[in-house]
Amino acid sequence: KAGVTQTPRYLIKTRGQQVTLSCSPISGHRSVSWYQQTPGQGLQFLFEYFSETQRNKGNFPGRFSGRQFSNSRSEMNVSTLELGDSALYLCASSLEGAAGELFFGEGSRLTVL
Amino acid sequence: AQSVTQPDIHITVSEGASLELRCNYSYGATPYLFWYVQSPGQGLQLLLKYFSGDTLVQGIKGFEAEFKRSQSSFNLRKPSVHWSDAAEYFCAVGTTSGTYKYIFGTGTRLKVLA
Repeated sequence: KAGVTQTPRYLIKTRGQQVTLSCSPISGHRSVSWYQQTPGQGLQFLFEYFSETQRNKGNFPGRFSGRQFSNSRSEMNVSTLELGDSALYLCASSLEGAAGELFFGEGSRLTVL
Repeated sequence: AQSVTQPDIHITVSEGASLELRCNYSYGATPYLFWYVQSPGQGLQLLLKYFSGDTLVQGIKGFEAEFKRSQSSFNLRKPSVHWSDAAEYFCAVGTTSGTYKYIFGTGTRLKVLA
């Protein structure tokens, strides 16, 4: 069974640009959540989607957005990039969301110059 | 407010020594509890989880954790550490009511001395 796949794995952007990250969950998983990981801050919850609906959202500015498609694949977008957006962005999928085990991808490492 | 605290940012142990990583949580009810491990450049992998029942849970790679309701703790233990255990460990709480979500601690980085 294929795991969670995130693309791209690494990317470099400059301030003011925007970026789109993609996540393909494990087959059959309907919940996809996104986390931002930075040194010292740990994992900060961005949002969670279930069956194309955003169920939960963390405390991030509106520059961070996401969506989920009918095949459960998800994308997140960050517009008007800032230096502080440099981080590892992790996607996790699960069968039904909270209470179930999260399966993480290897992440997309974003560097903003 | 719901929160997870991992008081030790870094821990160093010698190979073969025992290990205990601390985790305390704040939540109004009994949460779902998890420990995840992250190796460098990798995503997180589940070590073990507690939902209900026996408060001592066994996980992969020889890890175990004990849920102590009175102390709001879920400490991770391993009797004998291997060099390959060097990684970052995250404790997490999954809420059991309302808007379901996970809350992660800030992690404990484990270094193993040969």
